[in-house]
Amino acid sequence: GENVEQHPSTLSVQEGDSAVIKCTYSDSASNYFPWYKQELGKRPQLIIDIRSNVGEKKDQRIAVTLNKTAKHFSLHITETQPEDSAVYFCAVLNTGTASKLTFGTGTRLQVTL
Amino acid sequence: DTAVSQTPKYLVTQMGNDKSIKCEQNLGHDTMYWYKQDSKKFLKIMFSYNNKELIINETVPNRFSPKSPDKAHLNLHINSLELGDSAVYFCASSQQQEKLFFGSGTQLSVL
Repeated sequence: GENVEQHPSTLSVQEGDSAVIKCTYSDSASNYFPWYKQELGKRPQLIIDIRSNVGEKKDQRIAVTLNKTAKHFSLHITETQPEDSAVYFCAVLNTGTASKLTFGTGTRLQVTL
Repeated sequence: DTAVSQTPKYLVTQMGNDKSIKCEQNLGHDTMYWYKQDSKKFLKIMFSYNNKELIINETVPNRFSPKSPDKAHLNLHINSLELGDSAVYFCASSQQQEKLFFGSGTQLSVL
């Protein structure tokens, strides 16, 4: 099955700095790569996603880049704010008869003042 | 209007009891899921239903039995609860396995 590795597991940045979270996956046929944000005590929520035919996607302060050859993708958050503090999960959609999202292990981002 | 709603939000029970969690979505999605999030925050899929049919069963003990009476509802019944079942259980729905919308979660504590 798909193996998704996510790094780092914790990340602390100062307000205004950038944060980068990386994920690698094993199945080269995977074609959809979302990122979810989970605030403390809340549900995971989709913040950005990218498909395999696109190398980069931006939405205001967040961006995702995909390197299909190397089988890794990254989440970039610029000008971080305290409200960006949360756990971030990458995910990979496996193709096949029973396609499913496999989640990474999560990154706890702390934005300090 | 809550898109994916699950009840109860908290469930505290004794070992050996049987309990159910209910989930409903009003998004018109064709696929619904149960995910388990353990104390380390790992999100692991348990079941997936597409139009009331079981698609994914991720080697979950058969004490866990999902039921989908229609494509807007997916309930989870758990028999003979064990300490290790303590976790947060999230229901979710999507159209074509993308863009999951999660419910608010059910925190299950087995004492």
